Amino acid sequence: KNEVEQSPQNLTAQEGEFITINCSYSVGISALHWLQQHPGGGIVSLFMLSSGKKKHGRLIATINIQEKHSSLHITASHPRDSAVYICAVRRGGSQGNLIFGKGTKLSVKP
Amino acid sequence: NAGVTQTPKFQVLKTGQSMTLQCAQDMNHNSMYWYRQDPGMGLRLIYYSASEGTTDKGEVPNGYNVSRLNKREFSLRLESAAPSQTSVYFCASSEAMGASYEQYFGPGTRLTVT
Repeated sequence: KNEVEQSPQNLTAQEGEFITINCSYSVGISALHWLQQHPGGGIVSLFMLSSGKKKHGRLIATINIQEKHSSLHITASHPRDSAVYICAVRRGGSQGNLIFGKGTKLSVKP
Repeated sequence: NAGVTQTPKFQVLKTGQSMTLQCAQDMNHNSMYWYRQDPGMGLRLIYYSASEGTTDKGEVPNGYNVSRLNKREFSLRLESAAPSQTSVYFCASSEAMGASYEQYFGPGTRLTVT
């Protein structure tokens, strides 16, 4: 079993829809990252969380440490949000390296 | 600032050939990383350098070597390429190792080994 599981693997939405991508993990962590990989391949960091909730524009990331679960929400989705969204966790208690999920491919149709 | 740069962007090698992937960052970061990304799998760490002068193996180091040439540059070498090393390679950097530091990624190198 992978230590970081994302769902769904693929997601198609209509422009304007509210989108949720989920990430569950099975190890103790010190931080969780959400990243976006554009169709051209570039990867950018969206959020880094250790508790609670963060918001940036139309993107919201939440984490529940007790349930070992995080969600990434996109409000009022737009075709330019089409990308692969990747969850990664850093093991707790050490300067551990990131463990990545396989990613969720989002396609937003106009 | 260019951030993290990688060269080349694309490369085709024959089995047994060698090559070096170059990575440089201009953010004065201490830590640098090499990942590979394969279809249907998450990014996997090949090697990392926590600080200038140190390198350590990651999850999938076999068949690779690295050099932290200075604080800016971290290269990845394939001594004898194999088809299993066909992948997209990403270099990344962060201010330091640890929970509160985000990683910045280069644009990737698409490598095909025939």
